[in-house]
Amino acid sequence: QVHLQESGPGLVRPSETLSLTCIVSGGSISGYYWSWIRQPPGKGLEWVGFIYYSGSTSYNPSLKSRITISVDTSKNQFSLKMSSVTAADTAVYYCARFRDPANGVAFDYWGQGTLVTVSS
Amino acid sequence: QSALTQPASVSGSPGQSITISCTGTSSDVGGHNFVSWYQQHPGKAPKLMIYEGSERPSGVSNRFSGSRSGNTASLTIFGLQAEDEADYYCCSYAGSSTWVFGGGTKLTVL
Repeated sequence: QVHLQESGPGLVRPSETLSLTCIVSGGSISGYYWSWIRQPPGKGLEWVGFIYYSGSTSYNPSLKSRITISVDTSKNQFSLKMSSVTAADTAVYYCARFRDPANGVAFDYWGQGTLVTVSS
Repeated sequence: QSALTQPASVSGSPGQSITISCTGTSSDVGGHNFVSWYQQHPGKAPKLMIYEGSERPSGVSNRFSGSRSGNTASLTIFGLQAEDEADYYCCSYAGSSTWVFGGGTKLTVL
């Protein structure tokens, strides 16, 4: 059973960079896409972006200029960096595994989520 | 890239059936059979319920059914049970390797 666990600071100052890591256990990071999805308090889900284990990425166009997703296959983990954050970036951030068409397209395994608050 | 349109809320009594719609455009829902549905209980992570429009993952009750017609996808829950009360989100491929979620629907079991 694949397990994902997010980690990172729960409080980030405005204009600074948000950094989160997702550790994957119970399975290899190889062969799959790995995604970040966020949910502002009381609101809906928003796809942030994903990375293939080989390093190719795709980002939400509305966030593309501020985000970088990277992968470390040796540690079975991937990370999100979001620069110049504002209060609008306050959200629960989920990491999730994404299956491509060969495996049945879906976000099938999710982490428990971590709340990141942007505030001074 | 705009969020897919879902009703804010739906409700039904135990044993009844309900349908949640998810409306997009020909660039997303209508252009690809890559719609998935997620169930989210308060304070919990979303759970995959339907993928590729109508496929059910192992372990998901066959009371959950998905379909698509044109630019609208639908999730139907048959034989409503109290534990089905949750928020439901649709998600679709939106082209150019990007994905978009719906705004979410709160299901109340009366």
